[in-house]
Amino acid sequence: EPEVTQTPSHQVTQMGQEVILRCVPISNHLYFYWYRQILGQKVEFLVSFYNNEISEKSEIFDDQFSVERPDGSNFTLKIRSTKLEDSAMYFCASTSGTGREKLFFGSGTQLSVL
Amino acid sequence: DQQVKQNSPSLSVQEGRISILNCDYTNSMFDYFLWYKKYPAEGPTFLISISSIKDKNEDGRFTVFLNKSAKHLSLHIVPSQPGDSAVYFCAARNNQGAQKLVFGQGTRLTINP
Repeated sequence: EPEVTQTPSHQVTQMGQEVILRCVPISNHLYFYWYRQILGQKVEFLVSFYNNEISEKSEIFDDQFSVERPDGSNFTLKIRSTKLEDSAMYFCASTSGTGREKLFFGSGTQLSVL
Repeated sequence: DQQVKQNSPSLSVQEGRISILNCDYTNSMFDYFLWYKKYPAEGPTFLISISSIKDKNEDGRFTVFLNKSAKHLSLHIVPSQPGDSAVYFCAARNNQGAQKLVFGQGTRLTINP
């Protein structure tokens, strides 16, 4: 079965540094997402992306965050200046986009901000 | 944001018995509900879903029930197997065109041999 792949699996960074989390969604999917899960908390929506633009974003997704689909296969999440509270597991997801399709999630990137 | 709530953080069930996981929601605009299963260090994997026009959906050992008037859904697993031990998330999507899922806090299910 096709899968969403994420790299790296773990990322450790210093507070204030920029990080880029990478994802390769399933190839024929049209909608792409980033979610995150802070340890012990629920999975939270960050942003959805369709047709090369953000379709929806949450309050968490402030000016420090950005997403990009640079080459038609990769989907990236950039955090410009990381904060301690950005430490979380970040999940990429994709769907074929009919609106009633299940989301396929990657295995996540564990981001630790020191 | 408490639109989707799973009030039981954990549940322990004996192998072979029925596991029942519960979920409540508050947003009446939700019209599609999903259950995801998550193992440690992995992403959530889809289990089963139900549209708000139905009250039951079954797939093998998994059945989801939806009670719209009570804004409640449940996942039944029967018979429970050791491999079912995982965290189960209830998620919901509204009908306003937004694609995002709203997740509950999760219930850790442990199947005892």
